[in-house]
Amino acid sequence: AQKITQTQPGMFVQEKEAVTLDCTYDTSDQSYGLFWYKQPSSGEMIFLIYQGSYDEQNATEGRYSLNFQKARKSANLVISASQLGDSAMYFCAIPASGNTPLVFGKGTRLSVIA
Amino acid sequence: EADIYQTPRYLVIGTGKKITLECSQTMGHDKMYWYQQDPGMELHLIHYSYGVNSTEKGDLSSESTVSRIRTEHFPLTLESARPSHTSQYLCASSELSIGGKREAFFGQGTRLTVV
Repeated sequence: AQKITQTQPGMFVQEKEAVTLDCTYDTSDQSYGLFWYKQPSSGEMIFLIYQGSYDEQNATEGRYSLNFQKARKSANLVISASQLGDSAMYFCAIPASGNTPLVFGKGTRLSVIA
Repeated sequence: EADIYQTPRYLVIGTGKKITLECSQTMGHDKMYWYQQDPGMELHLIHYSYGVNSTEKGDLSSESTVSRIRTEHFPLTLESARPSHTSQYLCASSELSIGGKREAFFGQGTRLTVV
């Protein structure tokens, strides 16, 4: 079964600094995708970035980028130039298999300090 | 922009009451899901659907039930609410496709408190 592991329950980062949130996964699928979501204190889930397993380049979306290391089964999220509004929970996710629902990690709470 | 809506956003209700949490999407997505999440904790899948008249239970056992009579609508019902049902409930939808990017779009959630 697919599994996501996020080993950092909480992280602190200084405003304007970069931060890396770790995500490792386990899957038997040859083709898969990895997703990162942000959940602010208001509770909604906001899609941030996607990485396909066959994508040759690491995904980037503005200040968000993925450090995808397929052989190590890791897909770490890098947030550059952190802002106070980045303080939130961050979840890594993978489809359970084929068309089945997303499986989420336990999340990392990021706190940006002024 | 995602068009998936949940109502109500907040609900405080007494023990034993029947409640229905509404979820609607206007994107024509076949797949819809319900997740339960305690504050600051992981998401647990409780129900999902691949289309009209299709419903499945998720990984977390739940006393709630769902229905999918129309593509756009996926309500969740609790016949008799209990304090242990206090949680946030998140509804999501995505396209049914093989391979490729299939992000899930989420509603804003319903925060349920049973007193």
